[in-house]
Amino acid sequence: EPEVTQTPSHQVTQMGQEVILRCVPISNHLYFYWYRQILGQKVEFLVSFYNNEISEKSEIFDDQFSVERPDGSNFTLKIRSTKLEDSAMYFCASSYTTNEQFFGPGTRLTVL
Amino acid sequence: GENVEQHPSTLSVQEGDSAVIKCTYSDSASNYFPWYKQELGKGPQLIIDIRSNVGEKKDQRIAVTLNKTAKHFSLHITETQPEDSAVYFCAWFLFPNFGNEKLTFGTGTRLTIIP
Repeated sequence: EPEVTQTPSHQVTQMGQEVILRCVPISNHLYFYWYRQILGQKVEFLVSFYNNEISEKSEIFDDQFSVERPDGSNFTLKIRSTKLEDSAMYFCASSYTTNEQFFGPGTRLTVL
Repeated sequence: GENVEQHPSTLSVQEGDSAVIKCTYSDSASNYFPWYKQELGKGPQLIIDIRSNVGEKKDQRIAVTLNKTAKHFSLHITETQPEDSAVYFCAWFLFPNFGNEKLTFGTGTRLTIIP
């Protein structure tokens, strides 16, 4: 069964450093998303991406964040200058239509 | 508004008994309501969903009911098994509304099945 994959599973970085989180969505899906989950809290929407552009972003998704689909398979989230409060699980999701979003296993980001 | 209230926050159920989790939403335009199961260290997994033109949907031991008038929807798990232990999130989605395809999640319910 096709699934969303994410790398790395765990990323440790120093405050102020740039990180890139990578995702490979399900191959025929058209809509792509990033969510994050701070430890013990609910999942929060960050950004949605369709037709090679951002379709919506939350207030969390400030100028430090960017997304890109550099080729036909990868979908990346970049944080330019990480802060301590960026520590969280980051989930990529994809969908064929605008429902039934399938989530990846997540990347745990730890900012020291 | 985009609030989804979810109750209870924790639920312990004897194996074989039923579990019910309820969510209340505020936006009357909401029209798609999925439920996700999250096991430890994993991403949310879609287990069942319902659209606003349907009152109930069932898939084996799992069912979801929707009360549009009261703006709440519930997850029902019957004949619970140890592998049902997880955190369950309700969510809502304004569908279709291109440019707003985000899922808003509830606060989660930690379900523990007692053998």
